[in-house]
Amino acid sequence: NAGVTQTPKFQVLKTGQSMTLQCAQDMNHEYMSWYRQDPGMGLRLIHYSVGAGITDQGEVPNGYNVSRSTTEDFPLRLLSAAPSQTSVYFCASMTSDLSYEQYFGPGTRLTVT
Amino acid sequence: KNEVEQSPQNLTAQEGEFITINCSYSVGISALHWLQQHPGGGIVSLFMLSSGKKKHGRLIATINIQEKHSSLHITASHPRDSAVYICAGDSGGGADGLTFGKGTHLIIQP
Repeated sequence: NAGVTQTPKFQVLKTGQSMTLQCAQDMNHEYMSWYRQDPGMGLRLIHYSVGAGITDQGEVPNGYNVSRSTTEDFPLRLLSAAPSQTSVYFCASMTSDLSYEQYFGPGTRLTVT
Repeated sequence: KNEVEQSPQNLTAQEGEFITINCSYSVGISALHWLQQHPGGGIVSLFMLSSGKKKHGRLIATINIQEKHSSLHITASHPRDSAVYICAGDSGGGADGLTFGKGTHLIIQP
């Protein structure tokens, strides 16, 4: 199993540009999430999904869109990048049994200039 | 709003020392996750516990539900244990139920 994969690893955007961060998992997990990690702060939930076709907002959803057309894929779209979106982004999938173990992707380091 | 507080923020120790990282959490959290973030950035889930104690190799996690407190211990610490350790409070399962602490940056010197 590849686990959770994310692309790209690094990205630099100009303010106002849009892009999609890709996330895929091959473990057939129902739950998937996007987090951002900023210096001095804990991981913060952007959006999450409890299954194909179902998404919901987390703690910091503004400026981001998601969709979940398949169990495997959960892309995160930045609609119009802003410097405040400079961060490291992690995608995670989670088992839906009682262990709720999370599997994280390697992260995407995004800089918006 | 659920809260999770970790201490210490930074910890430097010598190889072989016994390490303890603490996590306190608010009412509403029913379980605790411990995660390890490697220097390269990757995050790995270590434990999830809702009661008692779990052990994996040199890592031991405990939780005291009454005191709303969890600890992560590392025995016989080694430089390869150097990482950021993160606790996350779980208020009921599912991705939206996690509140993350800010992490403890651990350095083990040879």
